[in-house]
Amino acid sequence: GAGVSQSPSNKVTEKGKDVELRCDPISGHTALYWYRQSLGQGLEFLIYFQGNSAPDKSGLPSDRFSAERTGGSVSTLTIQRTQQEDSAVYLCASSFSQMNTEAFFGQGTRLTVV
Amino acid sequence: AQSVTQLDSQVPVFEEAPVELRCNYSSSVSVYLFWYVQYPNQGLQLLLKYLSGSTLVKGINGFEAEFNKSQTSFHLRKPSVHISDTAEYFCAVSDPGGTSYGKLTFGQGTILTVHP
Repeated sequence: GAGVSQSPSNKVTEKGKDVELRCDPISGHTALYWYRQSLGQGLEFLIYFQGNSAPDKSGLPSDRFSAERTGGSVSTLTIQRTQQEDSAVYLCASSFSQMNTEAFFGQGTRLTVV
Repeated sequence: AQSVTQLDSQVPVFEEAPVELRCNYSSSVSVYLFWYVQYPNQGLQLLLKYLSGSTLVKGINGFEAEFNKSQTSFHLRKPSVHISDTAEYFCAVSDPGGTSYGKLTFGQGTILTVHP
């Protein structure tokens, strides 16, 4: 596609439920990043993929958060047993390679936990 | 570890006036520096970046920024703003020598509001 695509754009879920957020990077981009944007914490790095491997998971806030990437393309961020503090906008970005300095961002998924 | 401080959370300005959005960073290593813009309900768009070379960097939409190593600053400027520049602006750094080469550390953001 022309840009980074994220789905759903909005998600409302009940506390305790699991959610999956999807990111389709720009075709051919090998590096993929997940960030979280919340009122109290600003923009925080969550995880970085190079191909299907995740050499840096240092930003995942707890073991309820996991992510995978398949075929060097689509990535899914999963949050288990959601809590109200997980409410945020989850942004995905991709770049041609980890050496490339321009990351392209998707429009984000707004997650609301009620 | 790196950190980024954007000194103003909100900057109101009148149309056609100049504006400066301030950014300071802290890092024990050389960094790459970026400014991103976020319009309402949209993702982030790269305005400009400093990697090396000339300390004055020009970006899109008439914005420019100057890297000052001694003051560890990377302030964003525009000589004459438009209503359409109303958005949130983020300063960010990355560590080119790190294992997560393109991983960005962001400042808290500055909301620029341009009034007619």
